[in-house]
Amino acid sequence: DSGVTQTPKHLITATGQRVTLRCSPRSGDLSVYWYQQSLDQGLQFLIQYYNGEERAKGNILERFSAQQFPDLHSELNLSSLELGDSALYFCASSVGPLSSEKLFFGSGTQLSVL
Amino acid sequence: ILNVEQSPQSLHVQEGDSTNFTCSFPSSNFYALHWYRWETAKSPEALFVMTLNGDEKKKGRISATLNTKEGYSYLYIKGSQPEDSATYLCAFGAGGGSNYKLTFGKGTLLTVNP
Repeated sequence: DSGVTQTPKHLITATGQRVTLRCSPRSGDLSVYWYQQSLDQGLQFLIQYYNGEERAKGNILERFSAQQFPDLHSELNLSSLELGDSALYFCASSVGPLSSEKLFFGSGTQLSVL
Repeated sequence: ILNVEQSPQSLHVQEGDSTNFTCSFPSSNFYALHWYRWETAKSPEALFVMTLNGDEKKKGRISATLNTKEGYSYLYIKGSQPEDSATYLCAFGAGGGSNYKLTFGKGTLLTVNP
């Protein structure tokens, strides 16, 4: 158990809908990262927050947004969903903001858009 | 776009064999190199984080080396066991103003046959 909690584990929805994925980092970790894993791709970096502020942005679509709350949990909002958004979404956390910090991954949310 | 390449894509070995795989990354602007182990139906788990050229890390039968000047890292597994079967991911952290995010390779899938 990494200590990172992601909910829900599975989500099935329809095209055009909006969903929210939730992540609670390990106790003491201030950084939260979101990654997308789809069939032919590796882990694609979406966005990182550190202590409530956005730190780095990757290949995140404009239809997607995220935030980190004062209690350090994070939410990833996916809207106007398309079939191609079906993927495994991972949250990870680390103590600090830098890429030399070891990441601890949650168990992921499997999103299926039908 | 940062290119992180892992080879081979997949590997089948017999129990007891020693094996190694490669991660290639940009040789400029290096900040950190990570290795993760990802078992089926679980989440990625950190093995090593290396930051200095010539770094060598070891954890049990698994070790890793780093060459930042030529842009590669090797992961070695000595005396492979069936429980070593997993996907091994490397991730590159760039320096400078972008030293917040990790770019992952697509992984090497290792299968150890008993």
